[in-house]
Amino acid sequence: TQLLEQSPQFLSIQEGENLTVYCNSSSVFSSLQWYRQEPGEGPVLLVTVVTGGEVKKLKRLTFQFGDARKDSSLHITAAQPGDTGLYLCAGRGGTASKLTFGTGTRLQVTL
Amino acid sequence: DTGVSQNPRHKITKRGQNVTFRCDPISEHNRLYWYRQTLGQGPEFLTYFQNEAQLEKSRLLSDRFSAERPKGSFSTLEIQRTEQGDSAMYLCASSLGQEINYGYTFGSGTRLTVV
Repeated sequence: TQLLEQSPQFLSIQEGENLTVYCNSSSVFSSLQWYRQEPGEGPVLLVTVVTGGEVKKLKRLTFQFGDARKDSSLHITAAQPGDTGLYLCAGRGGTASKLTFGTGTRLQVTL
Repeated sequence: DTGVSQNPRHKITKRGQNVTFRCDPISEHNRLYWYRQTLGQGPEFLTYFQNEAQLEKSRLLSDRFSAERPKGSFSTLEIQRTEQGDSAMYLCASSLGQEINYGYTFGSGTRLTVV
């Protein structure tokens, strides 16, 4: 069974601060995705990383895939209240397999 | 295309009753997935289809749960003899295929409350 542990579970910060969310596993993934979910809605895809060591940037969000493809991180610069939500990493073990989701990190950004 | 549609959005049922949820995926997506999510946790895989074929079913899924995708388009998830532990958000997602860089498009979910 592939397990993805996220840390921290909950993060409450003020607008303008930086933060990093971690996603760790003992399994190797062929690809890893990050989603953001708002209350009462389904998760929305933010990014997909495929290559070990890959770094992708999406405005103020920076995503990195570990060299061994077992872990990933999400860094947010100058957080804004609109970044509030549940952040989920999700890994795919092979070309034909479903996504396994992480435990989630709930982010709250206040003014 | 308006995305993935799930109905109903909310369902309250008494313990022991049967419930059925419907998911309409994006029309050109051949893969359809069902997940269950409890508050503040990540979605937990239930089952998935490629076209009308059910390719995988979670071992956590009891025989009270059944899913169908009869014509490879919409899907239904039925829970028989509901229990309070079934209370959760049931999410449906679809994807274009099995390539590793394909993401899921999720619906807004059906929130089930068993009383």
